[in-house]
Amino acid sequence: GQQLNQSPQSMFIQEGEDVSMNCTSSSIFNTWLWYKQDPGEGPVLLIALYKAGELTSNGRLTAQFGITRKDSFLNISASIPSDVGIYFCAGPTSGTYKYIFGTGTRLKVLA
Amino acid sequence: SAVISQKPSRDICQRGTSLTIQCQVDSQVTMMFWYRQQPGQSLTLIATANQGSEATYESGFVIDKFPISRPNLTFSTLTVSNMSPEDSSIYLCSAGQGSVTGNTIYFGEGSWLTVV
Repeated sequence: GQQLNQSPQSMFIQEGEDVSMNCTSSSIFNTWLWYKQDPGEGPVLLIALYKAGELTSNGRLTAQFGITRKDSFLNISASIPSDVGIYFCAGPTSGTYKYIFGTGTRLKVLA
Repeated sequence: SAVISQKPSRDICQRGTSLTIQCQVDSQVTMMFWYRQQPGQSLTLIATANQGSEATYESGFVIDKFPISRPNLTFSTLTVSNMSPEDSSIYLCSAGQGSVTGNTIYFGEGSWLTVV
Protein backbone atom coordinates (compact mmCIF):
# COMPACT_ATOMS: atom_id res chain seq x y z
CA GLY A 1 0.00 0.00 0.00
CA GLN A 2 0.92 3.64 -0.02
CA GLN A 3 3.52 4.76 2.50
CA LEU A 4 4.95 8.10 3.48
CA ASN A 5 8.56 8.24 4.62
CA GLN A 6 9.86 11.23 6.49
CA SER A 7 13.44 12.28 7.01
CA PRO A 8 15.22 12.90 9.15
CA GLN A 9 13.65 10.70 11.84
CA SER A 10 14.87 13.08 14.50
CA MET A 11 17.14 16.05 14.80
CA PHE A 12 18.75 18.29 17.38
CA ILE A 13 19.24 21.87 16.40
CA GLN A 14 20.48 25.03 18.01
CA GLU A 15 17.94 27.72 18.77
CA GLY A 16 17.92 30.20 15.91
CA GLU A 17 18.88 27.68 13.24
CA ASP A 18 16.76 26.85 10.21
CA VAL A 19 15.30 23.36 9.88
CA SER A 20 14.38 21.35 6.81
CA MET A 21 12.50 18.07 6.65
CA ASN A 22 10.84 16.13 3.90
CA CYS A 23 8.22 13.56 3.15
CA THR A 24 8.39 11.16 0.23
CA SER A 25 6.15 8.57 -1.32
CA SER A 26 6.30 6.08 -4.18
CA SER A 27 2.78 7.20 -5.16
CA ILE A 28 1.38 10.47 -6.38
CA PHE A 29 -0.60 12.61 -3.94
CA ASN A 30 -2.97 15.47 -4.74
CA THR A 31 -2.85 16.98 -1.25
CA TRP A 32 -0.17 17.29 1.40
CA LEU A 33 -0.89 18.26 4.99
CA TRP A 34 1.70 19.07 7.63
CA TYR A 35 0.97 18.67 11.35
CA LYS A 36 2.80 19.23 14.62
CA GLN A 37 2.12 17.09 17.66
CA ASP A 38 3.14 18.09 21.16
CA PRO A 39 3.43 15.44 23.90
CA GLY A 40 0.04 14.28 25.15
CA GLU A 41 -1.90 16.23 22.54
CA GLY A 42 -3.50 15.67 19.17
CA PRO A 43 -1.84 16.78 15.93
CA VAL A 44 -2.36 20.41 14.97
CA LEU A 45 -2.59 21.36 11.32
CA LEU A 46 0.23 23.69 10.23
CA ILE A 47 -0.03 23.94 6.47
CA ALA A 48 -2.17 22.45 3.70
CA LEU A 49 -0.95 22.12 0.09
CA TYR A 50 -3.23 21.31 -2.83
CA LYS A 51 -1.26 21.95 -6.03
CA ALA A 52 2.05 20.68 -7.40
CA GLY A 53 4.74 23.31 -6.98
CA GLU A 54 2.71 25.26 -4.42
CA LEU A 55 4.71 27.10 -1.76
CA THR A 56 2.80 28.17 1.35
CA SER A 57 3.94 29.91 4.52
CA ASN A 58 2.55 30.08 8.04
CA GLY A 59 4.70 32.43 10.10
CA ARG A 60 8.18 30.92 10.31
CA LEU A 61 7.03 27.76 8.58
CA THR A 62 7.12 27.22 4.84
CA ALA A 63 6.01 24.10 3.03
CA GLN A 64 6.24 23.10 -0.60
CA PHE A 65 4.30 20.61 -2.70
CA GLY A 66 6.92 18.78 -4.76
CA ILE A 67 6.66 19.14 -8.53
CA THR A 68 6.62 15.35 -9.01
CA ARG A 69 3.67 15.14 -6.55
CA LYS A 70 5.56 12.41 -4.73
CA ASP A 71 7.15 14.59 -2.09
CA SER A 72 6.74 17.61 0.13
CA PHE A 73 9.07 19.73 2.21
CA LEU A 74 8.71 21.71 5.42
CA ASN A 75 11.12 24.40 6.53
CA ILE A 76 11.21 26.17 9.86
CA SER A 77 13.22 29.34 10.07
CA ALA A 78 14.91 30.70 13.20
CA SER A 79 13.83 27.81 15.42
CA ILE A 80 12.75 28.47 19.00
CA PRO A 81 12.26 26.10 21.96
CA SER A 82 8.50 25.78 21.39
CA ASP A 83 9.19 24.23 17.98
CA VAL A 84 10.00 21.01 19.86
CA GLY A 85 7.62 18.23 18.92
CA ILE A 86 6.89 15.68 16.24
CA TYR A 87 6.10 16.82 12.71
CA PHE A 88 3.95 14.62 10.52
CA CYS A 89 3.09 14.82 6.86
CA ALA A 90 -0.16 13.33 5.61
CA GLY A 91 -1.76 12.65 2.27
CA PRO A 92 -4.99 11.07 1.05
CA THR A 93 -4.87 7.51 -0.22
CA SER A 94 -5.56 7.19 -3.90
CA GLY A 95 -9.09 8.20 -4.84
CA THR A 96 -10.28 8.66 -1.27
CA TYR A 97 -10.55 11.25 1.49
CA LYS A 98 -8.75 8.96 3.92
CA TYR A 99 -5.41 10.34 5.05
CA ILE A 100 -2.31 8.29 5.80
CA PHE A 101 0.47 9.70 7.92
CA GLY A 102 4.20 9.76 7.55
CA THR A 103 6.66 8.24 9.98
CA GLY A 104 7.29 11.58 11.67
CA THR A 105 10.27 13.84 12.32
CA ARG A 106 11.04 14.47 15.97
CA LEU A 107 12.50 17.92 16.52
CA LYS A 108 14.51 18.74 19.60
CA VAL A 109 15.91 22.20 20.14
CA LEU A 110 19.01 22.95 22.19
CA ALA A 111 18.55 26.30 23.88
CA SER B 1 -11.50 24.80 10.79
CA ALA B 2 -13.36 22.43 13.09
CA VAL B 3 -13.02 22.23 16.87
CA ILE B 4 -13.13 18.64 18.06
CA SER B 5 -13.70 17.54 21.65
CA GLN B 6 -13.00 14.06 22.88
CA LYS B 7 -13.71 12.38 26.16
CA PRO B 8 -12.33 10.82 28.16
CA SER B 9 -8.98 12.49 27.63
CA ARG B 10 -7.24 9.80 29.62
CA ASP B 11 -8.21 6.56 31.34
CA ILE B 12 -6.72 3.49 32.93
CA CYS B 13 -8.70 0.38 32.10
CA GLN B 14 -8.73 -3.17 33.31
CA ARG B 15 -8.01 -5.86 30.74
CA GLY B 16 -11.11 -7.55 29.44
CA THR B 17 -13.29 -4.46 29.82
CA SER B 18 -14.59 -2.11 27.13
CA LEU B 19 -14.45 1.66 26.91
CA THR B 20 -16.38 4.07 24.71
CA ILE B 21 -14.75 7.27 23.52
CA GLN B 22 -16.93 10.17 22.46
CA CYS B 23 -16.11 12.73 19.81
CA GLN B 24 -18.04 15.97 19.34
CA VAL B 25 -17.40 18.44 16.50
CA ASP B 26 -18.50 22.05 16.74
CA SER B 27 -19.94 22.10 13.22
CA GLN B 28 -21.45 19.69 10.73
CA VAL B 29 -18.76 17.82 8.85
CA THR B 30 -18.90 15.34 6.02
CA MET B 31 -15.94 13.25 7.11
CA MET B 32 -15.13 11.72 10.48
CA PHE B 33 -12.34 9.26 11.12
CA TRP B 34 -10.80 7.37 14.02
CA TYR B 35 -7.06 6.87 14.30
CA ARG B 36 -4.85 4.96 16.70
CA GLN B 37 -1.39 6.08 17.74
CA GLN B 38 0.64 3.51 19.61
CA PRO B 39 3.43 4.74 21.88
CA GLY B 40 6.21 6.37 19.88
CA GLN B 41 4.50 5.61 16.57
CA SER B 42 2.73 7.43 13.81
CA LEU B 43 -1.03 7.56 13.32
CA THR B 44 -2.88 4.59 11.86
CA LEU B 45 -6.37 4.89 10.46
CA ILE B 46 -8.85 2.56 12.16
CA ALA B 47 -12.03 3.41 10.27
CA THR B 48 -14.17 6.01 8.59
CA ALA B 49 -17.28 6.81 10.61
CA ASN B 50 -20.23 7.01 8.23
CA GLN B 51 -23.29 8.96 9.25
CA GLY B 52 -26.30 6.69 9.58
CA SER B 53 -24.56 3.55 8.36
CA GLU B 54 -21.86 1.09 9.33
CA ALA B 55 -18.31 2.33 9.59
CA THR B 56 -15.71 1.40 6.96
CA TYR B 57 -12.77 -0.38 8.56
CA GLU B 58 -9.16 -0.49 7.43
CA SER B 59 -7.21 -3.67 7.06
CA GLY B 60 -6.37 -5.11 10.47
CA PHE B 61 -9.32 -3.53 12.28
CA VAL B 62 -12.69 -5.21 12.79
CA ILE B 63 -16.09 -4.09 13.94
CA ASP B 64 -16.28 -6.55 16.83
CA LYS B 65 -13.17 -5.06 18.38
CA PHE B 66 -13.78 -1.39 17.48
CA PRO B 67 -17.51 -0.75 17.06
CA ILE B 68 -18.19 2.79 15.84
CA SER B 69 -21.35 4.84 15.77
CA ARG B 70 -22.10 8.10 14.02
CA PRO B 71 -25.73 9.07 14.57
CA ASN B 72 -25.40 12.58 13.06
CA LEU B 73 -22.96 14.94 11.33
CA THR B 74 -21.33 16.22 14.53
CA PHE B 75 -20.93 13.21 16.83
CA SER B 76 -19.26 9.81 16.81
CA THR B 77 -18.20 7.16 19.29
CA LEU B 78 -15.50 4.52 19.21
CA THR B 79 -15.60 1.56 21.57
CA VAL B 80 -12.49 -0.43 22.31
CA SER B 81 -13.79 -3.86 23.27
CA ASN B 82 -12.32 -6.59 25.45
CA MET B 83 -9.18 -4.58 26.00
CA SER B 84 -5.69 -6.01 26.40
CA PRO B 85 -2.42 -4.22 27.19
CA GLU B 86 -1.71 -4.10 23.43
CA ASP B 87 -4.64 -1.69 23.10
CA SER B 88 -2.82 0.92 25.18
CA SER B 89 -2.66 3.82 22.75
CA ILE B 90 -3.87 7.28 21.97
CA TYR B 91 -7.16 7.17 20.09
CA LEU B 92 -7.77 10.22 17.95
CA CYS B 93 -10.95 11.47 16.37
CA SER B 94 -10.60 13.56 13.25
CA ALA B 95 -13.06 15.46 11.12
CA GLY B 96 -12.84 17.18 7.82
CA GLN B 97 -14.69 19.15 5.25
CA GLY B 98 -14.09 19.54 1.58
CA SER B 99 -13.66 22.94 -0.03
CA VAL B 100 -13.04 24.31 -3.48
CA THR B 101 -9.31 24.09 -2.88
CA GLY B 102 -9.21 20.66 -1.26
CA ASN B 103 -9.87 18.62 1.83
CA THR B 104 -8.37 19.12 5.25
CA ILE B 105 -8.77 17.14 8.44
CA TYR B 106 -8.47 18.32 12.02
CA PHE B 107 -7.92 16.40 15.22
CA GLY B 108 -9.19 16.28 18.74
CA GLU B 109 -6.88 16.21 21.71
CA GLY B 110 -6.97 12.42 21.77
CA SER B 111 -7.95 9.84 24.36
CA TRP B 112 -4.99 8.22 26.06
CA LEU B 113 -5.88 4.70 27.17
CA THR B 114 -3.68 2.55 29.37
CA VAL B 115 -4.77 -1.06 29.83
CA VAL B 116 -3.51 -2.86 32.91
